Amino acid sequence: LAKTTQPISMDSYEGQEVNITCSHNNIATNDYITWYQQFPSQGPRFIIQGYKTKVTNEVASLFIPADRKSSTLSLPRVSLSDTAVYYCLVGDPNDYKLSFGAGTTVTVRA
Amino acid sequence: EAQVTQNPRYLITVTGKKLTVTCSQNMNHEYMSWYRQDPGLGLRQIYYSMNVEVTDKGDVPEGYKVSRKEKRNFPLILESPSPNQTSLYFCASSLLGQEYEQYFGPGTRLTVT
Repeated sequence: LAKTTQPISMDSYEGQEVNITCSHNNIATNDYITWYQQFPSQGPRFIIQGYKTKVTNEVASLFIPADRKSSTLSLPRVSLSDTAVYYCLVGDPNDYKLSFGAGTTVTVRA
Repeated sequence: EAQVTQNPRYLITVTGKKLTVTCSQNMNHEYMSWYRQDPGLGLRQIYYSMNVEVTDKGDVPEGYKVSRKEKRNFPLILESPSPNQTSLYFCASSLLGQEYEQYFGPGTRLTVT
């Protein structure tokens, strides 16, 4: 499992774009990058997964540079309800063991 | 509705009293897993199962047991709970081969005194 580093916390305001960068210098060829979101008192929820370049869905975008040693989760026009902990995971999709780390606590203010 | 359910949601018990936390999923997922979440430590995997009768240790298996006799159920057993097992526990499931896209239950908050 590749080790990941992400900021402990980030603050933002409603309507702004939030970008969370995750570093994973020892990412392996078969590894994918996956992000989860966890609201207080709830289980984590899968947001997005990618291998390279850019992936976008209705919740977020994931940007992965060519060297894949980092990735950025982008949350467009956040609202108060986007306040949550965001986890970056890196590993082989067929690896049965997941490692979540401490995540990034994003706080959105009015 | 597709979901993972856990019972009980809250439990306070005493040291040494055996307990079981149940987990059930209705999505016909082969893969199921248990995690514990502690402040500052994120989620740590306890055990996982790739199918009926197939289980393996995660990162923190000590003090826990699991069984997978049916595809939909994956109970977590604490034979002799200790205070350091006070934690928030999550069960999750996914299709085999898509373990990075797991569906999580609502959590069970366990306090061992």
